[in-house]
Amino acid sequence: GESVGLHLPTLSVQEGDNSIINCAYSNSASDYFIWYKQESGKGPQFIIDIRSNMDKRQGQRVTVLLNKTVKHLSLQIAATQPGDSAVYFCAENIGSASKIIFGSGTRLSIRP
Amino acid sequence: DVKVTQSSRYLVKRTGEKVFLECVQDMDHENMFWYRQDPGLGLRLIYFSYDVKMKEKGDIPEGYSVSREKKERFSLILESASTNQTSMYLCASRSTGGPSYEQYFGPGTRLTVT
Repeated sequence: GESVGLHLPTLSVQEGDNSIINCAYSNSASDYFIWYKQESGKGPQFIIDIRSNMDKRQGQRVTVLLNKTVKHLSLQIAATQPGDSAVYFCAENIGSASKIIFGSGTRLSIRP
Repeated sequence: DVKVTQSSRYLVKRTGEKVFLECVQDMDHENMFWYRQDPGLGLRLIYFSYDVKMKEKGDIPEGYSVSREKKERFSLILESASTNQTSMYLCASRSTGGPSYEQYFGPGTRLTVT
């Protein structure tokens, strides 16, 4: 497999439980946030996004929460499945659409 | 579905060689990006392009150059490869405008420089 993620924080979750992946961002001027999922051997894949004028957004089995006061972002995955095993990245956008800064990622592993 | 393809999945080159990494997207996106991904560092932007023949430096452009002669193709060039350029290289594309800044990524090229 890939060596990416050897030094990543890891979250281990029982199959069927909810997962919460956290991310702290650095720039109070960030106006848009994205969560990506990266499975082994693949490029990152978009999951969900949220703008800074919102504090919650829901997708299919996923919810993103944004707390601008403490500059914190979280991704909640309901009823975690084996296919959710991956590295999850948060990313923040500052102004220009091309200036997207990625976090270092969290590896989610699922216990059967 | 948007498809972003990269010319090689794995590449091994020697120090000092000139290396070309190719990326092609099939959705007529204006914007294309090159990132490198290293353990614990996330994705770092090397260069991006917002139009044919246009390019902008990202956060770590040193040792790299790019070429965008056609809209669908964005090439990353390592003029003289060095061992500290051993990494995973990811290409992405995105359309201009719209409600989302979603980028579509290729599968990556794992480059080893010996």
